[in-house]
Amino acid sequence: NAGVTQTPKFRVLKTGQSMTLLCAQDMNHEYMYWYRQDPGMGLRLIHYSVGEGTTAKGEVPDGYNVSRLKKQNFLLGLESAAPSQTSVYFCASMEGGRNEQFFGPGTRLTVL
Amino acid sequence: SQELEQSPQSLIVQEGKNLTINCTSSKTLYGLYWYKQKYGEGLIFLMMLQKGGEEKSHEKITAKLDEKKQQSSLHITASQPSHAGIYLCGADMRTGNQFYFGTGTSLTVIP
Repeated sequence: NAGVTQTPKFRVLKTGQSMTLLCAQDMNHEYMYWYRQDPGMGLRLIHYSVGEGTTAKGEVPDGYNVSRLKKQNFLLGLESAAPSQTSVYFCASMEGGRNEQFFGPGTRLTVL
Repeated sequence: SQELEQSPQSLIVQEGKNLTINCTSSKTLYGLYWYKQKYGEGLIFLMMLQKGGEEKSHEKITAKLDEKKQQSSLHITASQPSHAGIYLCGADMRTGNQFYFGTGTSLTVIP
């Protein structure tokens, strides 16, 4: 099992450009999450999904959109990137209920 | 997240020393999770605590959740360089399906 994978690992964007980050999990987990990690801020939840076809806003959703068309994939989109979105993005998945989350290796995004 | 306070922010210890990291909330912690993150990598799950007074150990790492379920501590005995990294606590506070994380504690172990 690959666990949770993220694509790409690194990306540099110019202000105003758009991009999509892909998260894939092969554990048949219902729940999936997108976080961003910034120095001194810890992990902050952007959006999450409790099942295929569902999405919900987290703590810092502005400027991002998500989709969960297939159970194993969770996409995070930036329509018009801003320097404030420079961060490390982590995807996580979790089996239903209150269990531990499994994290991907992260995507380091720089917006110039 | 401001929901969870973690202390200290950073810790530098000599190899062989014991250390403790704390995670505190003003709200009830229905599930408390400890993760370790190596620099530049993803998070690795360490332990989960759910019951007040619960204590779990794995190798030289012990985690406890207090009786009130508002504070957790992570204790490392006889630290080794392999323990170095960032330790994060995460919590389920029964606010929908969201989890909250502390800001992390950076641990350096000097050989």
